[in-house]
Amino acid sequence: GQNIDQPTEMTATEGAIVQINCTYQTSGFNGLFWYQQHAGEAPTFLSYNVLDGLEEKGRFSSFLSRSKGYSYLLLKELQMKDSASYLCAVRAPSARQLTFGSGTQLTVLP
Amino acid sequence: ETGVTQSPTHLIKTRGQQVTLRCSSQSGHNTVSWYQQALGQGPQFIFQYYREEENGRGNFPPRFSGLQFPNYSSELNVNALELDDSALYLCASRDNGRGGESGANVLTFGAGSRLTVL
Repeated sequence: GQNIDQPTEMTATEGAIVQINCTYQTSGFNGLFWYQQHAGEAPTFLSYNVLDGLEEKGRFSSFLSRSKGYSYLLLKELQMKDSASYLCAVRAPSARQLTFGSGTQLTVLP
Repeated sequence: ETGVTQSPTHLIKTRGQQVTLRCSSQSGHNTVSWYQQALGQGPQFIFQYYREEENGRGNFPPRFSGLQFPNYSSELNVNALELDDSALYLCASRDNGRGGESGANVLTFGAGSRLTVL
């Protein structure tokens, strides 16, 4: 089975940096994804890691350590529009499904 | 290119009824998955269809069934609705043949159908 943990809620200030952690225990691993989901909207893809290390994409970066079962999403220069739920998801070896964490609700304050 | 579209956006049913939810995949995507997202939770995998056949299923009972059509659109059917079936149902599509630049085979989600069972 798969177990994915991430904090339920986080709060940060506009312009700041925030790190959202995700730990996972899985029976297999074929990549880790981060999605952003605004209330009432579709989850949208942010990043993908399959090898250890840091992937940077503009204001967003994601890190993976497979040996530790650990990932984080780093958001820089926070904007009000970054207030959303951030979902960590692990892909099964069959590549047929993603197992999601419960999501981290980020609130960006002015 | 068009994204994933789902219908209806909202619906209300009573316990014991049946419901059909519909999804049009993103253009060029031949694989479709359905997820259930309860309030405050992450999406949970229901099943996946590829070439009109189910080729992966999560921990959901047989009263959850689906179809994929030759144009890659899809349906999710739920029979004998229970109160706990109240959730947001998300459809997601991907191209099984291409991994993309990073090999990510990223799922593209629709905005979902919100089902309320009374």
